[in-house]
Amino acid sequence: DIQMTQSPASLSASLGETVTIECRASEDIYNGLAWYQQKPGKSPQLLIYNANSLHTGVPSRFSGSGSGTQYSLKINSLQSEDVASYFCQQYYDYPYTFGAGTKLELK
Amino acid sequence: QVKLQQSGAELVKPGASVKLSCKTSGYTFSTSYMSWFKQIPGQSIEWIGMIYAGDGGTGYNQKFKGKATLTVDTSSSTAYMDLSSLTTEDSAVYFCARENYPPDYWGQGVMVTVSS
Repeated sequence: DIQMTQSPASLSASLGETVTIECRASEDIYNGLAWYQQKPGKSPQLLIYNANSLHTGVPSRFSGSGSGTQYSLKINSLQSEDVASYFCQQYYDYPYTFGAGTKLELK
Repeated sequence: QVKLQQSGAELVKPGASVKLSCKTSGYTFSTSYMSWFKQIPGQSIEWIGMIYAGDGGTGYNQKFKGKATLTVDTSSSTAYMDLSSLTTEDSAVYFCARENYPPDYWGQGVMVTVSS
C-alpha cells in the first residue's frame, strides 16, 4: 500500500495568515492527490483534486501544488471558518490511502 | 444538487451484523461508482472499497475483505454496506461517497457502536 506522510500534525495560525500543509507519498502518485477539509462531527469536504485543481465552490484562497511524491495545500488569508482538520488522500492506486491529518487551530 | 443520505446510528452486539444504507439523489446513480470509508473518531480515514452501480462490480481493500459487503439497489438509487462478525474494533463512523476519482460528495456518516 502507498503510505501518505502528512505534516504537521497540528498547526496554530492567526487570522489573515498563510498556512501550508505537506504530504509525502511513499512512491510516485502522478498527481493522484486530493485534499479534504473535515470539521468536527461532519463529513470530509473535497477541496483539491489532481493535486492542484479546485473543487466546485471552494474559495480561491485554497490552492494545491506538487508532483511526484511531494504535495502541499496552501491556505491564504486564513479565515475563522477554516478551523478544521485537513487530510490528503492518494487515489493513484488501490487501496486509497490517507494522511494522518492536520488539525488547524486559531492562535 | 448531489445528496447522499445515510441511515441512522447503530448499536449492535459483538458477533452481530449490520446493514448501512446510503440513499442518493441529484445525479445518475446507475452509471456511477460509490466508495465507503471508515473513520474512528479523532483518527484518519480508511477506504473500505467501492462498487459500480451499473453492474454491481466491486473492489475491496484487502483489510476489509470478509468484513464488508457492498451492494446497490438501482431502483431506489441506494447503496448498502453489510458489516459482519462485528467486534469492538469495528466501532467507528462509516461514510459513503460518490466515487468520481477522487470521491467528491460524501454522506453525513453513520456511527456504529459495537457493545454488549
